[in-house]
Amino acid sequence: DGGITQSPKYLFRKEGQNVTLSCEQNLNHDAMYWYRQDPGQGLRLIYYSQIVNDFQKGDIAEGYSVSREKKESFPLTVTSAQKNPTAFYLCASSTTGTYSNQPQHFGDGTRLSIL
Amino acid sequence: SQELEQSPQSLIVQEGKNLTINCTSSKTLYGLYWYKQKYGEGLIFLMMLQKGGEEKSHEKITAKLDEKKQQSSLHITASQPSHAGIYLCGAAYAGNMLTFGGGTRLMVKP
Repeated sequence: DGGITQSPKYLFRKEGQNVTLSCEQNLNHDAMYWYRQDPGQGLRLIYYSQIVNDFQKGDIAEGYSVSREKKESFPLTVTSAQKNPTAFYLCASSTTGTYSNQPQHFGDGTRLSIL
Repeated sequence: SQELEQSPQSLIVQEGKNLTINCTSSKTLYGLYWYKQKYGEGLIFLMMLQKGGEEKSHEKITAKLDEKKQQSSLHITASQPSHAGIYLCGAAYAGNMLTFGGGTRLMVKP
């Protein structure tokens, strides 16, 4: 079945360490997104990519980096510069980057915690 | 986001009761999406509204978008424990990505 796969489901980060969250989709979507969700809050956009080899900063990009070398993959690296990384991270994809009548599809998320 | 406000933040209802969740935008929407999230999981798409005055239904859930395209409501009829979760509205403004509301946490007491 088509969908979005995020891994790992749980991740722990040590002080000063970079960690990478994986996001893979087989929906043939051009656009992919990374969101952060804090307890009791909605989603905030970290980065998005509308096409391979191109990506744009969202509202809270500081301390994060991404790459888009393949259409189906959009990994997110949480760097040591992100001082408060503990959150639930969600990856999404859609048919186009700008608004269309197609919804964004979401993965099951990765929960990142500090050791 | 201050652009998009959801209310209430949390809701506890008795099984079988009806309920309404609201999503209000500070500016005109191009489109409005409703999602449901179970704790610790991803978002499941429910419905999308695009036209002023539009109304859509899926099983016992009905969503409406007002004529001015600045407010949407999600109504659940005869709630069941399976309706429990977090409901999020996501707004599309012309040329921008989706902006999400803070979510409404729904608990249904059997």
